[in-house]
Amino acid sequence: GENVEQHPSTLSVQEGDSAVIKCTYSDSASNYFPWYKQELGKRPQLIIDIRSNVGEKKDQRIAVTLNKTAKHFSLHITETQPEDSAVYFCAASMVGNQFYFGTGTSLTVIP
Amino acid sequence: SAVISQKPSRDICQRGTSLTIQCQVDSQVTMMFWYRQQPGQSLTLIATANQGSEATYESGFVIDKFPISRPNLTFSTLTVSNLSPEDSSIYLCSVVPREGETQYFGPGTRLLVL
Repeated sequence: GENVEQHPSTLSVQEGDSAVIKCTYSDSASNYFPWYKQELGKRPQLIIDIRSNVGEKKDQRIAVTLNKTAKHFSLHITETQPEDSAVYFCAASMVGNQFYFGTGTSLTVIP
Repeated sequence: SAVISQKPSRDICQRGTSLTIQCQVDSQVTMMFWYRQQPGQSLTLIATANQGSEATYESGFVIDKFPISRPNLTFSTLTVSNLSPEDSSIYLCSVVPREGETQYFGPGTRLLVL
């Protein structure tokens, strides 16, 4: 089955700097890659996703890039703010199938 | 998206007992899942809840311990049976509203077993 690895496990950045979280996947058939943000005590919330027919997608300060050849995808957060502090999970799946989640990255934005 | 509720939001149970968690969605959805999330950990899929048939369990999870029902397209229950302290965790349901859409999570049920 699919195996998703996520790095780093923890990340601290100064407010205003950029943060990058990287994930790799093993199954070349995976074609859908969502990112979730989970604040302490809350449910995971979808923040951005990308399908395999697209190389990059942006939504304001958040962007995701996908390299199908290398089987990796990354989350980029620019101009970080304290409210970006949370745990971020990547996932990989084939549309219509179960999600395989990464191990999570705890992001701390230092004011 | 979909509005998902779970009951109870939290519970404290004695070992050897069982807890049934309910997941209710405000609209019919194609897929429903049950996850476990232990403190500081990622999301572990327990099973896919199939409407009108037996759930599909992931490796390491069995029906006797985690019986699941899904009587219709808006509701599912997960029972955690014969509780032990190792079952202390957060249990989340998630749904895919329509084929090709993403998963949305319920608010979770926080279980503590004494």
